[in-house]
Amino acid sequence: EADIYQTPRYLVIGTGKKITLECSQTMGHDKMYWYQQDPGMELHLIHYSYGVNSTEKGDLSSESTVSRIRTEHFPLTLESARPSHTSQYLCASSESVGKPSQDTQYFGPGTRLTVL
Amino acid sequence: AQTVTQSQPEMSVQEAETVTLSCTYDTSENNYYLFWYKQPPSRQMILVIRQEAYKQQNATENRFSVNFQKAAKSFSLKISDSQLGDTAMYFCAFMKSGANSKLTFGKGITLSVRP
Repeated sequence: EADIYQTPRYLVIGTGKKITLECSQTMGHDKMYWYQQDPGMELHLIHYSYGVNSTEKGDLSSESTVSRIRTEHFPLTLESARPSHTSQYLCASSESVGKPSQDTQYFGPGTRLTVL
Repeated sequence: AQTVTQSQPEMSVQEAETVTLSCTYDTSENNYYLFWYKQPPSRQMILVIRQEAYKQQNATENRFSVNFQKAAKSFSLKISDSQLGDTAMYFCAFMKSGANSKLTFGKGITLSVRP
């Protein structure tokens, strides 16, 4: 398994709370991604980063924000959680261009978020 | 834009049997990669197999193999000698070749292996 970690694994929180989902990888990958996945459904890219101080919004609009201050760390923040944010959030990373397997994304175990 | 279609929402197979999961995609690109990812219940998504479009030979990883038909834009996954641990959701994914490309996933298929 790849060395990519997410915390917490499960989070139940009340509406209006600020939350940060942590993602870190020890592989030195330049590229990192956040996906949102509803139960039994496809993955949607919500944020990605190609390196430090680089962040972009993905295909699915999200009220969350991300930061990339360090290569290994890519946290996702919700300023005010709402029930519509209830979902599973998957973090992934991949090698930079020119490296072997640059196209392969490695996934973390996910954070299952429930907003009451 | 690329699309990936997995038309079967779920399948079931008897342990030790062979099962094939279907995937089609649509793209105008000539150079790209295709992937099958596996997501067991409440566990991490892992890569099962990858195929470069420029390679005519079908990729194989132990009990997993693909049937890649570039002209038909088809990329099916065959699982031989199915095991209980193969029970999972399987996602087909596409990525065009080049810097900073992103993965496009299909909706996934739930595979159940019966003892």
